[in-house]
Formats: sequence, C-alpha cells, structure tokens
Amino acid sequence: SQQGEEDPQALSIQEGENATMNCSYKTSINNLQWYRQNSGRGLVHLILIRSNEREKHSGRLRVTLDTSKKSSSLLITASRAADTASYFCATGVQGAQKLVFGQGTRLTINP
Amino acid sequence: EPEVTQTPSHQVTQMGQEVILRCVPISNHLYFYWYRQILGQKVEFLVSFYNNEISEKSEIFDDQFSVERPDGSNFTLKIRSTKLEDSAMYFCASRPDTAGELFFGEGSRLTVL
Repeated sequence: SQQGEEDPQALSIQEGENATMNCSYKTSINNLQWYRQNSGRGLVHLILIRSNEREKHSGRLRVTLDTSKKSSSLLITASRAADTASYFCATGVQGAQKLVFGQGTRLTINP
Repeated sequence: EPEVTQTPSHQVTQMGQEVILRCVPISNHLYFYWYRQILGQKVEFLVSFYNNEISEKSEIFDDQFSVERPDGSNFTLKIRSTKLEDSAMYFCASRPDTAGELFFGEGSRLTVL
C-alpha cells in the first residue's frame, strides 16, 4: 500500500481561482512536505509541516495537517498560469531517513 | 545559491550495458538520496546514503544497483546491467539533516533500448 496518495490526480481550474489538493497517508509521520514539479524538471520544496502543527502558511500557500485522519491539504489561492505543475506530498516516517512521495496531483491553470 | 547538480542530463544505452549517473550534492549536506520517476508516474525511493554507507534501500534497489561516494563531492548511482524497465528519470537529492527539506537535482533521463 502507498504511504502518500494525492487526490485528485488531475485538477484544471481558471486563473484566479483557488486550487485544493489533498494527501492521505498510512503510518505515523514526523513531518509532511509538499513539493512542486514542472514538467521534466526536478522537484522543488514548497512547505513543511511538522506532526505537531495543524496549519501553516507561505505566501499564497496554505497547508493543513490532520494527524487523526492521516491527511493533509494544500491550498493555492489566487492561482496563476505559472502555478501549472505537478504537486506531490511527501512524508517523513518515524525511524526512517527517506521521504515517501505520493502519486501527485497534476494542476492546470487555464488563462 | 547552492544546488544539486546531475550529469548526464540524458543518457541512451543498450540493454545489458552498465550506466553510471553522477551527482554533486550540496557541499555541507550529510544525507544523500536517489529517487526515480518513470514518465508521468510517482517518485520512487531507491536508496539513502549517510556516513559513507547505505542507510536504507527499497525493493527496487536490487543487486544491479550500487551507490558510491568516491570522493568528498561526487555521489554516483551505477546500474550494472540495464533493463528496458530501468528507463526513467533518476533524481539525486541531499539534505543537511533528516528532518528538513530535500534538495533535488534536475535529474538524469535514462533511456534503455
């Protein structure tokens, strides 16, 4: 079974709208991170939320974490065409050095 | 700004050939990783490396794979005898500790014919 699963797999919205992506995971975590990947490029870190935090903001990004439901959401407000990319959640698992990535959400912002 | 660099950006090889993918992690980082991504699919963990030894590896990282840090700067992934299914984007990543963000390179695209 996968540690991180994003929902939806693909999302297409109009510029200016808000985009919400969700991530579910299965085991206990130290932290949860969100990354962005432009097509054919490397992953870029967006934001990290620790297991004892419930919400975090960075610019137009808002991340929530619900450890009781083992889920997180990433909200991008006032979306721009340049936000078009794939977004991945990644979990830091207790006792392990690796980050485990989900399937990703492909976000398309239509001008 | 420091960055992780990977070479080559694209390599085409014949099935059964050996391939070495190279990475230069950020200089003060201590934890090094290889991930791979088959086109359009999830980012899969291969191996983590700390203190000159493998600390974790996935089921994908079988005997055909090896990693090495031959000097103070390079971190290499070797695939001994490539298979068609090894075709993927391989990403190197590093970080200074186990609690923070990963810094990724731009990847090496491997095509096995």
